[in-house]
Amino acid sequence: QKEVEQNSGPLSVPEGAIASLNCTYSDRGSQSFFWYRQYSGKSPELIMFIYSNGDKEDGRFTAQLNKASQYVSLLIRDSQPSDSATYLCAVSEDSSYKLIFGSGTRLLVRP
Amino acid sequence: SAVISQKPSRDICQRGTSLTIQCQVDSQVTMMFWYRQQPGQSLTLIATANQGSEATYESGFVIDKFPISRPNLTFSTLTVSNMSPEDSSIYLCSVEGLEDAGDTEAFFGQGTRLTVV
Repeated sequence: QKEVEQNSGPLSVPEGAIASLNCTYSDRGSQSFFWYRQYSGKSPELIMFIYSNGDKEDGRFTAQLNKASQYVSLLIRDSQPSDSATYLCAVSEDSSYKLIFGSGTRLLVRP
Repeated sequence: SAVISQKPSRDICQRGTSLTIQCQVDSQVTMMFWYRQQPGQSLTLIATANQGSEATYESGFVIDKFPISRPNLTFSTLTVSNMSPEDSSIYLCSVEGLEDAGDTEAFFGQGTRLTVV
């Protein structure tokens, strides 16, 4: 069974710090990797996606992918209290477009 | 990104009844999916809504319980049939294949929060 694992947290960081969120996946055939942010009572919103090994940066967010280790991470620089949310890691095989989600990591940014 | 509208946004239903949830997209999309998010849990894929053919269900989900329609490339419905309290969840419509966003991005509707009493 294909699985996506995340530490449930909460991960607590002070405002302005770097938050590091990690995710591992079991299916070596996974090709696309996504990070979603979900505020309580809201639907998930896409933050970033990454397909290739290495780093991908978008503003304060950096996604890192290591397919050999089956590991994907999300770094949030200069964390803000508004970043406090649950972050969901999801993986997909390109041919199917279906997403398998991790259980999510709850992030708390302390003012 | 396309605008995805889901109705109803929330409902409280009696045990044994059925509820149909609608998902409308403001542009044609290749693929539409239905997910469930049970309280305190992550998202689980229920099925892929196929235009013009029967939906493709994931393990643990069956058509009799979750019938799905996809009459065209912008609209789909999910029915939760013969509901029990265990069906209390958030149900989310997701679309991919948006022409202006690339093939492998998935966006979600605002969800339908269902409570079965």
